[in-house]
Amino acid sequence: QLQLQESGPGLVKPSETLSLTCTVTGGSISSRSYYWGWIRQPPGKGLEWIGSMYYSGSPYYNPSLKSRVTIYVDTSKNQFSLKVTSVTAADTAVYYCARHPGIAAAVTDWGQGTLATVSS
Amino acid sequence: DIQMTQSPSSLPASVGDRVTITCRASQYISSYLNWYQQKPGKAPKLLIYAASSLQSGVPSRFSGSGSGTDFTLTISNLQPEDFANYYCQQSYSTPPTFGQGTKVEI
Repeated sequence: QLQLQESGPGLVKPSETLSLTCTVTGGSISSRSYYWGWIRQPPGKGLEWIGSMYYSGSPYYNPSLKSRVTIYVDTSKNQFSLKVTSVTAADTAVYYCARHPGIAAAVTDWGQGTLATVSS
Repeated sequence: DIQMTQSPSSLPASVGDRVTITCRASQYISSYLNWYQQKPGKAPKLLIYAASSLQSGVPSRFSGSGSGTDFTLTISNLQPEDFANYYCQQSYSTPPTFGQGTKVEI
């Protein structure tokens, strides 16, 4: 049974960098069939796709966030990570890590989500 | 980006009802449309993919239809556990985009 678990600081100061990690258990991040991505949801609002990547390819980023986002995979730890630079209050959200079978495909597996709050 | 518009935003309903949620894409997306259910404090759960294919383990009272730009999610015989938020998502082009959500409430 595949499980995804987000981890990282729950509180980040404005202008600093938000860093989150997703640990994958019950499956290999090096699977040829899947992409690994991040999706966020501001409190009380809808869902926004941040970006995704194949374990051995180049990441895809949402153009609205591209200048501030980095996604990378660590196959040795079976983890993938997200960094968002120069955060503001608008980046406060629940961040979900996810697995999906194509670059823009339906998300079949989700982490439980982690709330990241941007505040001084 | 492709804009996804759901209606209604809120849908009062009762147990046993048949409810329909509509999702409209701002441009043609073929059948690349997915539906998710989200309960408070939980991650979304995939219900329907490719407009009408039921995800494994999802009850058959959930069904999806449509193609092109107009899609519907229908829940027949609404159960207490179905009161939740529902989102559509297009997977036709990047970036994938979601509708704003529909809250099915008592």
